[in-house]
Amino acid sequence: DIQLTQSPSSLSASVGDRVNITCRTTQTVTTYLNWYQQIPGKAPKLLIYAASSLQSGVPSIFSGSGSGTEFTLTISSLQVEHFATYYCQQTYYIPYTFGQGTKLEIK
Amino acid sequence: EVQLLESGGGLVQPGGSLRLSCTASGITFTQYAMTWVRQTPGKGLELVSGISGSGASTYHADSVKGRLTISRDISKNTLYLQMNSLRVEDTAVYYCAKSRGLYYYFGLDVWGQGTTVTVSS
Repeated sequence: DIQLTQSPSSLSASVGDRVNITCRTTQTVTTYLNWYQQIPGKAPKLLIYAASSLQSGVPSIFSGSGSGTEFTLTISSLQVEHFATYYCQQTYYIPYTFGQGTKLEIK
Repeated sequence: EVQLLESGGGLVQPGGSLRLSCTASGITFTQYAMTWVRQTPGKGLELVSGISGSGASTYHADSVKGRLTISRDISKNTLYLQMNSLRVEDTAVYYCAKSRGLYYYFGLDVWGQGTTVTVSS
């Protein structure tokens, strides 16, 4: 199975900060890499698909980049509602695995 | 607006069975792959089962193969997860989630609210 490792596992940041979250895969997934946001008690929400495509309705302060085995989710200016847990997922190889999550907390 | 509504979770003893249902509104099942994703504090998110838009192919994670079975009823716009021979480690919140296309490649863009399955004696 492809393992996904997110870094950092947790992050403290302030409103207005620019934040990068990295996802590394143990084998290439080309650009079959998606990003989700999860607020406690809610279902995950798709933010980015195919590494860099913004899901409809998601604000453009979110962006994704990368290919192969290293990917980055960037939040350009943190707002209060963005403090949540973020997950990456690869959909190149069965089983379609998720990263362990990055918890973004308010500093 | 697309909505997914799960039901059928609950408390069951090890070795028991449950059937989860996910009723969809606002979509045509044959145009999208549908999945069941579970979440536990210890193991995180796991895509346990999926069915392609055509219905011709299904996927089950090795951890559930032979025990959990995905199916759908197009006439009722309902997705199912038949869960047999349940184990303590199947305890999780189960989400029904819709893929962006006929297969699973481009993310899961609509999720239900989740239903909790607890396997315990």
